[in-house]
Amino acid sequence: DIVMTQTPLSLSVTPGQPASISCKSSQSLLHSDGKTYLYWYLQKPGQPPQLLIYEVSNRFSGVPDRFSGSGSGTDFTLKISRVEAEDVGVYYCMQSIQLPLTFGPGTKVDIK
Amino acid sequence: QVQLQESGPGLVKPSQTLSLTCTVSGGSISSGDYYWSWIRQPPGKGLEWIGYIYYSGSTYYNPSLKSRVTISVDTSKNQFSLKLSSVTAADTAVYYCARRDSSGYQPFDYWGQGTLVTVSS
Repeated sequence: DIVMTQTPLSLSVTPGQPASISCKSSQSLLHSDGKTYLYWYLQKPGQPPQLLIYEVSNRFSGVPDRFSGSGSGTDFTLKISRVEAEDVGVYYCMQSIQLPLTFGPGTKVDIK
Repeated sequence: QVQLQESGPGLVKPSQTLSLTCTVSGGSISSGDYYWSWIRQPPGKGLEWIGYIYYSGSTYYNPSLKSRVTISVDTSKNQFSLKLSSVTAADTAVYYCARRDSSGYQPFDYWGQGTLVTVSS
């Protein structure tokens, strides 16, 4: 199985300030088709996860542009340029290049 | 817009079989465009993918649960189901159903709201 790790596991951010979450995979997520199958989700309290970023850096429909993703191979980063109150929750990275699909342990983001 | 809704008992006794159903509305399982998955989340913990089914009935199960899992589909009712046998307290979790596009290596784009299943005598 591909193991996904995230740092930090928790993050407290002042509104308006940036935040950054790292995700690392135990194997490269770069496919021979040239795409990298790394995704980011946000799970708000009491809700199912919602897709934020697909294939490393593409924002899903309706996701604000303060969210951005970057990285390659095995190292990835999610950045929030200016955190808002509605961004609280747990952020997960996920890989889909290999079955079984696996998620990172999650990074809990709250507001100071 | 597609909607997924989990249903089933909220309480299961140890050693028994957990059974859940996901009803899909706003889209047809028979279209063949998606894989239909189950994912679970123990209270306060992370996400674990259980497995998926295609409209044809083909399945893939997470090896960590494979010996105890069965996922089936009923296209006439636009539903798919999960059975997890020999449950223990470690199987207590919120169970989600979700879909993935069947082209390539797509993410889960739509999820149900989840249903909490507690394993307790």
